[in-house]
Order: sequence, then C-alpha cells, then structure tokens
Amino acid sequence: NAGVTQTPKFQVLKTGQSMTLQCAQDMNHNSMYWYRQDPGMGLRLIYYSASEGTTDKGEVPNGYNVSRLNKREFSLRLESAAPSQTSVYFCASSEAPSYGEQFFGPGTRLTVL
Amino acid sequence: AQTVTQSQPEMSVQEAETVTLSCTYDTSENNYYLFWYKQPPSRQMILVIRQEAYKQQNATENRFSVNFQKAAKSFSLKISDSQLGDTAMYFCALTEIQGAQKLVFGQGTRLTINP
Repeated sequence: NAGVTQTPKFQVLKTGQSMTLQCAQDMNHNSMYWYRQDPGMGLRLIYYSASEGTTDKGEVPNGYNVSRLNKREFSLRLESAAPSQTSVYFCASSEAPSYGEQFFGPGTRLTVL
Repeated sequence: AQTVTQSQPEMSVQEAETVTLSCTYDTSENNYYLFWYKQPPSRQMILVIRQEAYKQQNATENRFSVNFQKAAKSFSLKISDSQLGDTAMYFCALTEIQGAQKLVFGQGTRLTINP
C-alpha cells in the first residue's frame, strides 16, 4: 500500500519553463489537495478537489492549474514558472468529510532559477 | 477566515524532559478539528494527534497530549519524556468538520531534542 505518491522528488526549472507535478493515491479517497511550504509560513493550500471532476481554488492559486484526472490522480501544473514559485510542494488526500485527517505525499522540492 | 498562530519559531530541550508547544487559532465555526503534525528532516508530514472541538476531553497518544481550551481558542501540545526522534518541525492545523475539510496550518515550531 503506497499511500500518496508524488513525482518528481526534485526539479530545477528556468524562469518561464512549464512543468506538471504528478500525485496519485491508492486509498480510494474522495478529496485531494495541493499545498506549498515556504520557510516560516507553514503549508498553504493552492488548489483542492473535493471529488472526482471538481476542483477549487485555495489560498494561493495564482500561477497554477490543476487537473483531477480520475479518482486516484491529481496533477498540478506551472505554465510559466517564476522564482516566487520556488518551494516544496505537497499533495495530500482524505476521506472528507470524515475525521479530517489528511495523508501526505513525500513532497517535491522545486527550484526556479 | 480561519487562522492558526504558533508563536514559538524554535524550541530546544534535553532528552527525557517535558516540552509544551503553543498554538492559538481563530474560527467562526463551533465544531471543527484540530491537529498536530510532525515533519522530521525526511520532510514527511506525520499526524501526531487529533482533537474534536465538540469533545471536552483532551486527546492523548502515548507520550503526546494536548491542552485544548475552546473558549480561549488555544491548543497546546505536550511531549513527555522527550526522545531524540522527536526532533522535527511541528505544525498546528485546523479544519472544518463539513465540506472539503481544507487544512489551515500555523507557521510551525522547530523542536530540537538534545542528548
């Protein structure tokens, strides 16, 4: 049982390049989330998907797009990367609404030069 | 909007000591969940403990316990008999009971356990 997996683990981009972060969960969870973690700021929600076929903006959605490809997969796309998007990105999933616990992937460290 | 505040950026204690991490929050909801997550150097987010706001009894998990003060909107984490493996970032988080249950995190407290 892999839980939540993310690819890649590390990535370096140049300003203006695009890329997609992949996330998959094998727990049959309805809800999935993308967060970014910056020093001194905790984790902030970028986008979430409460169920297959729906997506909604979180606290910091600018510069990102998402796709809920199916119940297992939720991808995050940077169309034109900027240095301000240098961060660690976490995907999570949950049974929401339930006991609120979210299960996190191992994270992707992204550097934009 | 919901907010979570952790006012202690860093803490350091000796192994086997007891340490308390502070967290305050703000929400207009009457029912919600509160969490403490641990993030060791591996970067993996690990759930430490959960508290339901409608329960008066404080949650405990082995050496970890909370002091939940609903009226004061305070949610502190006590780690007893601290171990070297407790060294990590600790995040306090809040979520609503209904809907998509989006987590709102505090800024984190970096805890170091010294031998």
